[in-house]
Amino acid sequence: SQQGEEDPQALSIQEGENATMNCSYKTSINNLQWYRQNSGRGLVHLILIRSNEREKHSGRLRVTLDTSKKSSSLLITASRAADTASYFCATTSSGGSYIPTFGRGTSLIVHP
Amino acid sequence: EAQVTQNPRYLITVTGKKLTVTCSQNMNHEYMSWYRQDPGLGLRQIYYSMNVEVTDKGDVPEGYKVSRKEKRNFPLILESPSPNQTSLYFCASRLRTGLTEAFFGQGTRLTVV
Repeated sequence: SQQGEEDPQALSIQEGENATMNCSYKTSINNLQWYRQNSGRGLVHLILIRSNEREKHSGRLRVTLDTSKKSSSLLITASRAADTASYFCATTSSGGSYIPTFGRGTSLIVHP
Repeated sequence: EAQVTQNPRYLITVTGKKLTVTCSQNMNHEYMSWYRQDPGLGLRQIYYSMNVEVTDKGDVPEGYKVSRKEKRNFPLILESPSPNQTSLYFCASRLRTGLTEAFFGQGTRLTVV
């Protein structure tokens, strides 16, 4: 069963605005990752946050993790048209197979 | 260059004709897995392997087989494809520690008519 569920399913913004996507999951995790997928292409890893971390930054990306609420958010600041893609969160369960389990994704469109 | 290579990228086949989608990684990763991606359903795990000769079912294994005879290769076999297996398939690999990212192939778009 899918572990992570992203919200919203779709997001449309103007270039320069910030984009926030949320992910909720059900069971205890070892870590949570965010991936990006351009249309019909393979997924590319963006950032990994461990269960004992609360916030992580990478360039224009900021990820937070709240294990008490079983949720994470991905913030893309100063968005660009090239950020248009689908974004997925993936969780790796504690004591599990270490194979990430994905949600349905958020489709982000950034208008120039 | 570190990569996961899937072949073929595109395939149109007929119902019942056995096919194999190959997946190979050059990173010496222990863990490999197959996903299918369908509109509105995200990525669903088909099978995964934690090492050579060790495979296990994911969420949607029906109609698929896998094998892991060598560490680098993890082929996906459809013995008798059906139209409901029309999908976009991804292979992924990862280090055993689970503390690093998964690397994905570019995908195989399969159409079964």
